[in-house]
Amino acid sequence: ETGVTQSPTHLIKTRGQQVTLRCSSQSGHNTVSWYQQALGQGPQFIFQYYREEENGRGNFPPRFSGLQFPNYSSELNVNALELDDSALYLCASSPDRDIGELFFGEGSRLTVL
Amino acid sequence: QKEVEQDPGPLSVPEGAIVSLNCTYSNSAFQYFMWYRQYSRKGPELLMYTYSSGNKEDGRFTAQVDKSSKYISLFIRDSQPSDSATYLCPLPSGAGSYQLTFGKGTKLSVIP
Repeated sequence: ETGVTQSPTHLIKTRGQQVTLRCSSQSGHNTVSWYQQALGQGPQFIFQYYREEENGRGNFPPRFSGLQFPNYSSELNVNALELDDSALYLCASSPDRDIGELFFGEGSRLTVL
Repeated sequence: QKEVEQDPGPLSVPEGAIVSLNCTYSNSAFQYFMWYRQYSRKGPELLMYTYSSGNKEDGRFTAQVDKSSKYISLFIRDSQPSDSATYLCPLPSGAGSYQLTFGKGTKLSVIP
């Protein structure tokens, strides 16, 4: 059984640029959630996708957007990057949307200069 | 008041010690409780998951829930250096209870 995989693992961008992060969910999981974890903080919920539709969103501006594909993989897009967007971005999959058991990937570490 | 409050740590213990990690929560509607472990520069890993009050045991780990006191604990017996990590006790929020609210976690170091 393949776990959650994320790419890229590390990337550096400059302020104002755009970034796309990718996630493959665990086999059999139809729900993907994205979290942002700043250094020294706990993960913060960005949004969740269930069967290709956004199923909930945390307190993040519209420049954070996402997609989920028919194979349940997902993308997180961030436009107009700001310095405060520097963080570890975590993707988590779960067997269904109302289940809090999340299986996290290793994350994508984004540095904005 | 924050939805979940966790012992701030960091916590440093000698190998073999019993470790107690604690969280309190404010919303009595929570129906299930979890502990995650996060190693440095890695994603969180689900450690324990329980729906009810009382104890749940898994090897050296015991999760304890006291709904009346809104208190959850994780006990680690015979702690090992490999237990050195940050421990998180997120709580579900949102309409479908799918959104997890995390605190900063408690960083544990087990010294050989």
